[in-house]
Amino acid sequence: GENVEQHPSTLSVQEGDSAVIKCTYSDSASNYFPWYKQELGKRPQLIIDIRSNVGEKKDQRIAVTLNKTAKHFSLHITETQPEDSAVYFCAAGGGSNYKLTFGKGTLLTVNP
Amino acid sequence: EPEVTQTPSHQVTQMGQEVILRCVPISNHLYFYWYRQILGQKVEFLVSFYNNEISEKSEIFDDQFSVERPDGSNFTLKIRSTKLEDSAMYFCASSVNRWDGYTFGSGTRLTVV
Repeated sequence: GENVEQHPSTLSVQEGDSAVIKCTYSDSASNYFPWYKQELGKRPQLIIDIRSNVGEKKDQRIAVTLNKTAKHFSLHITETQPEDSAVYFCAAGGGSNYKLTFGKGTLLTVNP
Repeated sequence: EPEVTQTPSHQVTQMGQEVILRCVPISNHLYFYWYRQILGQKVEFLVSFYNNEISEKSEIFDDQFSVERPDGSNFTLKIRSTKLEDSAMYFCASSVNRWDGYTFGSGTRLTVV
C-alpha cells in the first residue's frame, strides 16, 4: 500500500521567512496530493491540493510543487505569519484507492 | 460554507461498551469516510463508503467496527465493544468526487476508560 514520509517533523521560522515541508510517496498510481493545516484540537483543513497532471500550483502565499518522477511533493509558505503556526499534513491518494494516506505531520512554529 | 457536522464532540465510555459516532456529511457529497487520529499522531484511514456500501477499509477497521447510512443524511460509525486503544479523535469526511473537495468534520473525541 501507499506510504507517505514527511519531513521535517518540526520547523521553527521567524515571521516573514519562508517555510518548506517535503513529502515523498511510494505508490506510483497516486495522483492526488492535498495539504491540510490542523490547529490544536481542530479539524484538518484543506489548504491546497495538486494533481499529477500539474507540476506546481500557487494560492497567494502558499505553493505546492510535485515531482512525479521522483515521487515527492513540497509545500512552500512565503512571508510566514504567526497565524500560520499549526501542524501541516501532506497526503496522497488516487489510483484504485478510496483513501488518503497521510504523512506524520510537521509542527510549524512562526516566531514573531 | 457547507460543513460536515459530527456529534457528540466528546464521548467518554467504559471499556467494553458500544458507542455510535454520528456525522452529517455535506448534502451533495457522495463519498463518505471515517478517519481517526490518536493524540499527537497522524490521521489514519478507517473506512470509505460509497453507493451505500463500504468501498475500502483499513486493517484497523475490524469486526468491532461498522458503518451505516440509516437515512439520506446521517452517516454513523459504531464500535461494538470499545477498547482502551480506541481512544482517539474520530473524524468524518465527505467529498463530491473521490479526489475533490474532501472536507473533514470537527471530530468526536472518544475516551475509553
